[in-house]
Amino acid sequence: QVQLVQSGAEVKKPGASVKVSCKVSGYTLTELSMHWVRQAPGKGLEWMGGFDPEDGETIYAQKFQGRVTMTEDTSTDTAYMELSSLRSEDTAVYYCATPGDTPAFDYWGQGTLVTVSS
Amino acid sequence: DIQMTQSPSTLSASVGDRVTITCRASQSISSWLAWYQQKPGKAPKLLIYKASSLESGVPSRFSGSGSGTEFTLTISSLQPDDFATYYCQQYNSPWTFGQGTKVEIK
Repeated sequence: QVQLVQSGAEVKKPGASVKVSCKVSGYTLTELSMHWVRQAPGKGLEWMGGFDPEDGETIYAQKFQGRVTMTEDTSTDTAYMELSSLRSEDTAVYYCATPGDTPAFDYWGQGTLVTVSS
Repeated sequence: DIQMTQSPSTLSASVGDRVTITCRASQSISSWLAWYQQKPGKAPKLLIYKASSLESGVPSRFSGSGSGTEFTLTISSLQPDDFATYYCQQYNSPWTFGQGTKVEIK
């Protein structure tokens, strides 16, 4: 059984960067294809990017290209999502998620609230 | 990118009702569609994958159908635990979600 445990809430100023972590247990990170999804307050789910096993690379939603970087530390089975040039509209809960037994997102982290405020 | 459009945005129903939510894709996605349930303050939960396959542990009152561009999620007899927001997702790269359907108490 995969478990995803994310880092704690963050408060950032506009223009800053934030780096959210997602620690994997039950599997190794190399066995998974990690994705990141965010949800602004009262809004829907928005896919930000993730590993595409068909291409063997991480792809990003066009909206976030140039501002987001997703990395992995396989020595600690931890995935990271860094978002730069933060603005108030980036205030959201950020989730890591991954397929497991199915091709959809079977497993989700608990979410990390990122608040962008001056 | 493929756009996913759900309808309705909000649905008012009573316990025991049969409920149907529709999801349309802007182009064919074969059967690469999933449905999720989300409750306030919680991460989404996978219900259905590959358009009609029930995730392990999900009650059989949930079912999915469709292929190509039109899909439906049906709850055969709405239970109190089912009042939540439901999202469709296509998982042809790049992945996209529908805007959500809130199922509320009538």
